[in-house]
Amino acid sequence: AQSVTQLGSHVSVSEGALVLLRCNYSSSVPPYLFWYVQYPNQGLQLLLKYTTGATLVKGINGFEAEFKKSETSFHLTKPSAHMSDAAEYFCAVIHLSGNTPLVFGKGTRLSVIA
Amino acid sequence: EPEVTQTPSHQVTQMGQEVILRCVPISNHLYFYWYRQILGQKVEFLVSFYNNEISEKSEIFDDQFSVERPDGSNFTLKIRSTKLEDSAMYFCASMTANYGYTFGSGTRLTVV
Repeated sequence: AQSVTQLGSHVSVSEGALVLLRCNYSSSVPPYLFWYVQYPNQGLQLLLKYTTGATLVKGINGFEAEFKKSETSFHLTKPSAHMSDAAEYFCAVIHLSGNTPLVFGKGTRLSVIA
Repeated sequence: EPEVTQTPSHQVTQMGQEVILRCVPISNHLYFYWYRQILGQKVEFLVSFYNNEISEKSEIFDDQFSVERPDGSNFTLKIRSTKLEDSAMYFCASMTANYGYTFGSGTRLTVV
């Protein structure tokens, strides 16, 4: 069975500081990996995904994530936080077999302090 | 950009009542899903639907739940007799063959 662990349910950074949200996965085969963002009272918006190819993936709003197979990690980073980045971030994994569903982590709430 | 549309955005119902949550997936997608998110918790898989039948369901998806794709466009989730603990945000999603997931904006269900 696959699972996703997001370290830190709440991360707080200063505006302009580096954002690092951690995600580790467990899967018996290389998965596809996703990061979603959820703003208050809104749906899930895809930030970026890793499927195959380049392990450093760039997404929207200046975010990027690097797939590290040896560490089973897919951490999300952004060099400089903006106030508008305050939201809930979910890492998710899918097993490459048919239409198996996305498995989500518990989420990390990002707060940005002025 | 194509969207997954969910209606209503918010529904309040009395305990024991039946509710139907509606979704219009992206037309050329092949796989359809319902997820739920209880307030403050993670997003949980409920059920997946492919080729007009359920292909996988979680332990949450018990006999109180059912899904249908009645007319080839709408995709519905029915809860037969709602309980207080069914209060959650329900998300519909559809997926292409190459794992391109798109989520709807959700229906907030409040059971009172």
